[in-house]
Amino acid sequence: GQNIDQPTEMTATEGAIVQINCTYQTSGFNGLFWYQQHAGEAPTFLSYNVLDGLEEKGRFSSFLSRSKGYSYLLLKELQMKDSASYLCAVRDQDYKLSFGAGTTVTVRA
Amino acid sequence: IAGITQAPTSQILAAGRRMTLRCTQDMRHNAMYWYRQDLGLGLRLIHYSNTAGTTGKGEVPDGYSVSRANTDDFPLTLASAVPSQTSVYFCASSEVGDADTQYFGPGTRLTVL
Repeated sequence: GQNIDQPTEMTATEGAIVQINCTYQTSGFNGLFWYQQHAGEAPTFLSYNVLDGLEEKGRFSSFLSRSKGYSYLLLKELQMKDSASYLCAVRDQDYKLSFGAGTTVTVRA
Repeated sequence: IAGITQAPTSQILAAGRRMTLRCTQDMRHNAMYWYRQDLGLGLRLIHYSNTAGTTGKGEVPDGYSVSRANTDDFPLTLASAVPSQTSVYFCASSEVGDADTQYFGPGTRLTVL
């Protein structure tokens, strides 16, 4: 099984940078995903890492270290619309996802 | 293109009643999934299907059943609802490949009284 930990809440100012950490213990690692979920809506895909290193997609970047069981999602130039929950998910060898409880990010003006 | 649709959007159900949550996707994805999402616990996998005709149990399968008669539909049935099944239910689908992510439906909010 998977044990996935991420902070419950984070607050940041508009225009700033926020880093959301995710640590995991896994019985079979086959990729790590980050999803964004606005209140009352479905999760939507943000990023995918399977190899060590940094993946950059516009204002969002995600980093993975498989040896440390560690990932982070970096949100730059924060906007009010980035206020949401961010879900870290680990995929196993059977292509099933296990999710962390999510980190609620609040962006303040 | 609708993607994934779920019905109903929300439902209030008396304990002991039978309920089927519907999920349909038009992306021809092989794999489909049912999750429940509860405050503080995140998304938990109930059942999944890697291809039509096959199903598997996830993390929290008790009290739920699924079927996968064709590629597009993946209904979730609560045979006899209990209050602990009050939750938001999300259906998802994906191809089964390295970079293939899961796409989620809009969810069904179920309250069991």
